[in-house]
Amino acid sequence: QKEVEQNSGPLSVPEGAIASLNCTYSDRGSQSFFWYRQYSGKSPELIMSIYSNGDKEDGRFTAQLNKASQYVSLLIRDSQPSDSATYLCAVRNNFNKFYFGSGTKLNVKP
Amino acid sequence: EAQVTQNPRYLITVTGKKLTVTCSQNMNHEYMSWYRQDPGLGLRQIYYSMNVEVTDKGDVPEGYKVSRKEKRNFPLILESPSPNQTSLYFCASSSASGGNEQFFGPGTRLTVL
Repeated sequence: QKEVEQNSGPLSVPEGAIASLNCTYSDRGSQSFFWYRQYSGKSPELIMSIYSNGDKEDGRFTAQLNKASQYVSLLIRDSQPSDSATYLCAVRNNFNKFYFGSGTKLNVKP
Repeated sequence: EAQVTQNPRYLITVTGKKLTVTCSQNMNHEYMSWYRQDPGLGLRQIYYSMNVEVTDKGDVPEGYKVSRKEKRNFPLILESPSPNQTSLYFCASSSASGGNEQFFGPGTRLTVL
């Protein structure tokens, strides 16, 4: 079982719609949770971090964490074609090791 | 400008020829890390360092070495590269305080023939 699991996609949404990206993790001791965006050929760029249960909003992005279900999600409201990228879920465990999911490819169609 | 730099950005080499990929950060971060990214496997942590002279193995450390003699630098060493180490490599750094949000370098694309 992988430490962090994501649906590889592609996830296709029309421009202006809400994109919902999901991630599950296996280590209950995980401390911190991150969403990164990666454009093809580029390095990952941090979008959101979340550390406690509930929702965290930043502009068009909302991260949701449910530690009991070991589930993290990212909602992108009013999706734009420029949001088309691969989204990586990352988890930091108790020993400061980071685990990344293999990413979900998002296509936002104009 | 706050940044993580890596060199070289592209490297083609042959099996067995020792190489070093450098990583440097100017943010005074304690935590530094190396990853490799392969299609379908995502980012996998090779080694990480909590501070100077403190390093530890990540998920896929075999065939790699690291050192942390200075806070800003964290070189990745491949003593005897093999074709299965052909990959895209990223260095990242973060502060030890707070949430450990990592900032990534631009990547090094390595091909081992």
